Amino acid sequence: KQEVTQIPAALSVPEGENLVLNCSFTDSAIYNLQWFRQDPGKGLTSLLLIQSSQREQTSGRLNASLDKSSGRSTLYIAASQPGDSATYLCAVSQNIQGAQKLVFGQGTRLTINP
Amino acid sequence: EAQVTQNPRYLITVTGKKLTVTCSQNMNHEYMSWYRQDPGLGLRQIYYSMNVEVTDKGDVPEGYKVSRKEKRNFPLILESPSPNQTSLYFCASSSWGGSTDTQYFGPGTRLTVL
Repeated sequence: KQEVTQIPAALSVPEGENLVLNCSFTDSAIYNLQWFRQDPGKGLTSLLLIQSSQREQTSGRLNASLDKSSGRSTLYIAASQPGDSATYLCAVSQNIQGAQKLVFGQGTRLTINP
Repeated sequence: EAQVTQNPRYLITVTGKKLTVTCSQNMNHEYMSWYRQDPGLGLRQIYYSMNVEVTDKGDVPEGYKVSRKEKRNFPLILESPSPNQTSLYFCASSSWGGSTDTQYFGPGTRLTVL
């Protein structure tokens, strides 16, 4: 059974710092890995999707890497801003009996202090 | 604008009173699913649908029903709600074409069962 773990559970850093969020998964047979952002009481917004054949994806100040063989992904946020404060979730997608199944980590709650 | 909508956004009800949470997407996606999010347990899949009239159980289907009579709609039905179904519910959709498919999430429905 796929398990996804995110460390740390919470992180607080001063504005302007670069930071890394970690995600690990137990089964390397994945279709893709997605990073989502969730603001309090709100829905999930997809930030980056890395296909299983890719090593990384970039969008603006965000860079996500994937090492499928070791079951790890990182989300790098450059020059952090207070507006980056949110919970970040990673999810791996698997093909289970022909259906796409997302398994989520429990998230990292990020606070950027002005 | 591509979006997934859910109604209602907030609902307080009493044990045993049947309710339906609607979900609609305007992206012509084949795949739709329902998740619940609980503190300490993360996001867990309730049901999913790969296309019209094709539905299947996720990880926590007990106490829920779904139907998929039209491609755009995927309502979640609680026939006899109980307090342990108090949660934040999300509907999601994606096309089903392989590893590049991003899941789009609705804004969430916060349900309280008294």
